[in-house]
Amino acid sequence: DGGITQSPKYLFRKEGQNVTLSCEQNLNHDAMYWYRQDPGQGLRLIYYSQIVNDFQKGDIAEGYSVSREKKESFPLTVTSAQKNPTAFYLCASSSTTSGGRETQYFGPGTRLLVL
Amino acid sequence: GENVEQHPSTLSVQEGDSAVIKCTYSDSASNYFPWYKQELGKRPQLIIDIRSNVGEKKDQRIAVTLNKTAKHFSLHITETQPEDSAVYFCAASKGGEAAGNKLTFGGGTRVLVKP
Repeated sequence: DGGITQSPKYLFRKEGQNVTLSCEQNLNHDAMYWYRQDPGQGLRLIYYSQIVNDFQKGDIAEGYSVSREKKESFPLTVTSAQKNPTAFYLCASSSTTSGGRETQYFGPGTRLLVL
Repeated sequence: GENVEQHPSTLSVQEGDSAVIKCTYSDSASNYFPWYKQELGKRPQLIIDIRSNVGEKKDQRIAVTLNKTAKHFSLHITETQPEDSAVYFCAASKGGEAAGNKLTFGGGTRVLVKP
């Protein structure tokens, strides 16, 4: 999991503003994921991508957007349509080759706060 | 979709005692069950996982059991130590590229080991 980085560590958003969270991995993993974690709760899937230039909505995609132009990168944009964005955002990746392909490794997270 | 329930939500044990966390899942097609440990403000770290062709798996003081018929799996920590204090999450996945290797997480169990 040391091969996954997220930035920034803390991010402040003003009302009506779009913000983008960065996620980069050097593990040569094909699949990448974005989760949202609210205080005292589990992780909920926002978006995921199994291959470059392709991604699918997770369980709570409304108000978020992603892109996957490079294998190493999977940025998440929190749009102004997301009315309650304050949360801890975690990026993860996994290999899609055989043998342990389901195992997801997490980045250190970005804490998003609304001003 | 898959639903994973986790109990208890908090667990306090005396150092040296055992801790048991239980999870149930709803989708009988799920076949991969990882457990993650998350320390305060940190990323979730995989501690053990089990696949549906195995009933039990052990790694030092940690063991996981799976009952496919009843659709539940459990984490057992023996000889608990203060460094075991953290939040533990179970998850379930159907695996495979068609399912996107998506993980559905339980709500988490906050474990406190008292010295």
